[in-house]
Amino acid sequence: NAGVTQTPKFQVLKTGQSMTLQCAQDMNHEYMSWYRQDPGMGLRLIHYSVGAGITDQGEVPNGYNVSRSTTEDFPLRLLSAAPSQTSVYFCASSYRELHQQYFGPGTRLTVT
Amino acid sequence: AQSVSQHNHHVILSEAASLELGCNYSYGGTVNLFWYVQYPGQHLQLLLKYFSGDPLVKGIKGFEAEFIKSKFSFNLRKPTVQWSDTAEYFCAVKPHNQGGKLIFGQGTELSVKP
Repeated sequence: NAGVTQTPKFQVLKTGQSMTLQCAQDMNHEYMSWYRQDPGMGLRLIHYSVGAGITDQGEVPNGYNVSRSTTEDFPLRLLSAAPSQTSVYFCASSYRELHQQYFGPGTRLTVT
Repeated sequence: AQSVSQHNHHVILSEAASLELGCNYSYGGTVNLFWYVQYPGQHLQLLLKYFSGDPLVKGIKGFEAEFIKSKFSFNLRKPTVQWSDTAEYFCAVKPHNQGGKLIFGQGTELSVKP
């Protein structure tokens, strides 16, 4: 199993550009989520999904969209990038919502 | 609002010293509790978890944590640290009936001097 994979590993965007961060898992996990990690703030939940076709907002959803058309994939879309979205983004998955989460390697995003 | 507080932002220890990292959470209901570790340049890995039963849980690499329900605490301990334990440590809480949300503390950076 590859576990949780994320692409790209690094990305630089200009303000106003859009892009999609990819996340995939091959463990048949129902629950997937996106976090951003900023210095001194830990990880904050952006969006999560409890299964295909079901998504919900986390703590910091503004400026981000998600969809879950398949069990395996959970892409995160930045509609119009802003410098405040400069961060490291982690995708995670778990078998069910209360189980241990497995994290991907992260995407380091810089918005100039 | 639910929150997780880690008391120490940066801890510096010498090898063989004992470690205790504090974690408190604010939620009155049932929770699952986790400690994750992030080594430099790597992604988060699970150290240990508490779901139910014995409040003293043992994890990988000699780490353990004790859940004290009355104090809403889940402190992480290790009797003797090694240089390879240098990393950032995150406490996380998953309240039941909250859609699986995992709430993280701010993290504690541990530096172990050889």
